[in-house]
Amino acid sequence: DAGITQSPRHKVTETGTPVTLRCHQTENHRYMYWYRQDPGHGLRLIHYSYGVKDTDKGEVSDGYSVSRSKTEDFLLTLESATSSQTSVYFCAIKSTSGIEGTDTQYFGPGTRLTVL
Amino acid sequence: QQQVKQSPQSLIVQKGGISIINCAYENTAFDYFPWYQQFPGKGPALLIAIRPDVSEKKEGRFTISFNKSAKQFSLHIMDSQPGDSATYFCARTTGGAGSYQLTFGKGTKLSVIP
Repeated sequence: DAGITQSPRHKVTETGTPVTLRCHQTENHRYMYWYRQDPGHGLRLIHYSYGVKDTDKGEVSDGYSVSRSKTEDFLLTLESATSSQTSVYFCAIKSTSGIEGTDTQYFGPGTRLTVL
Repeated sequence: QQQVKQSPQSLIVQKGGISIINCAYENTAFDYFPWYQQFPGKGPALLIAIRPDVSEKKEGRFTISFNKSAKQFSLHIMDSQPGDSATYFCARTTGGAGSYQLTFGKGTKLSVIP
């Protein structure tokens, strides 16, 4: 599991409330990513980070913000949750220990978020 | 956005048969094409990957075939087993130098029946 934990693992919230999801890694990886997974859409990149306080947008960043104040933690915030943000959220890290020594991504266990 | 088109959406294969999943991509410089396997309730796990300068890569029962001229790559699972039942995603690396991103296909749900 590349030392990745996500919290909470499940959350139910109401429309309009703020929500923060946490990704924690223990192996000092520089790159971290947030994806959402929805039926029929596969995995879509929300935001990623390439270092402490260095972040950039992905394909579906609207309605989401991120922060990374230390190497091991990458936070995803929904400022005002909407029902369209009901999804499974995965965190990932990039490691150079992938197949044939290439960079590749390893995923956490996911957070299932339901917005009522 | 560099897309990856994956087919079929779902696949049912008899135990012992061959499962084939196809992906097509648009344009490339130097890219890396990983495949991920995901079981229900779990995160995607890296299964096998190929560079575009290689036409085929085999790891056990899993083989990736790469056709650079057709911009297609496929996953073959030989002697498919019920334990292979999962969702499979193809992907490609995107992004400029230093950004390293993955673009995923929409997934194929494989069911291997006894």
